[in-house]
Amino acid sequence: EAGVAQSPRYKIIEKRQSVAFWCNPISGHATLYWYQQILGQGPKLLIQFQNNGVVDDSQLPKDRFSAERLKGVDSTLKIQPAKLEDSAVYLCASSLDEEGWGYTFGSGTRLTVV
Amino acid sequence: KNQVEQSPQSLIILEGKNCTLQCNYTVSPFSNLRWYKQDTGRGPVSLTIMTFSENTKSNGRYTATLDADTKQSSLHITASQLSDSASYICVVTPSRDAGNMLTFGGGTRLMVKP
Repeated sequence: EAGVAQSPRYKIIEKRQSVAFWCNPISGHATLYWYQQILGQGPKLLIQFQNNGVVDDSQLPKDRFSAERLKGVDSTLKIQPAKLEDSAVYLCASSLDEEGWGYTFGSGTRLTVV
Repeated sequence: KNQVEQSPQSLIILEGKNCTLQCNYTVSPFSNLRWYKQDTGRGPVSLTIMTFSENTKSNGRYTATLDADTKQSSLHITASQLSDSASYICVVTPSRDAGNMLTFGGGTRLMVKP
């Protein structure tokens, strides 16, 4: 079974630039999550989608972060403009439903803002 | 507030030794509890998943236990190997009527030395 695909694997940008991350969840998974994980800390949920609707985006810094899942499958997470403190691993995960069955993480995108 | 606390925060052991990592949670009622292994800069990989009715689950040299009465779980690693060096994260999924946000522990960073 294919896992959760994320790209790019690594990204280095200068502050104030913009960046986008892509996630393709496991086929049939209705729930998709984006997390930010700063080195040495546990993942922090940024946004949770159920199909193409947003379930929770309470911790998403909406002044600079945006995410969409237009067709209820792939998702993109964008940062514009980036700040130094955005340097982190951005993890995408998906699950069959909101209770988290089949929950699987992608390999993540490591972002470095210089 | 749902919380997951892990201990110790970090641990260094010699190759071949056993170790036990702890996870205490306040999430109640909960649907399932998972242990993940996360290599630096990579996405977490699932080791075990237990429902509230299960007491133990093994995956090779990894054995997870769960005491739903005391709200404690442990991950026991037997005959450690250098490749076990990673962060180990405990994640609790609340049941549907307790809110659906997966709650992450801060992780235990394990280093196995030769």
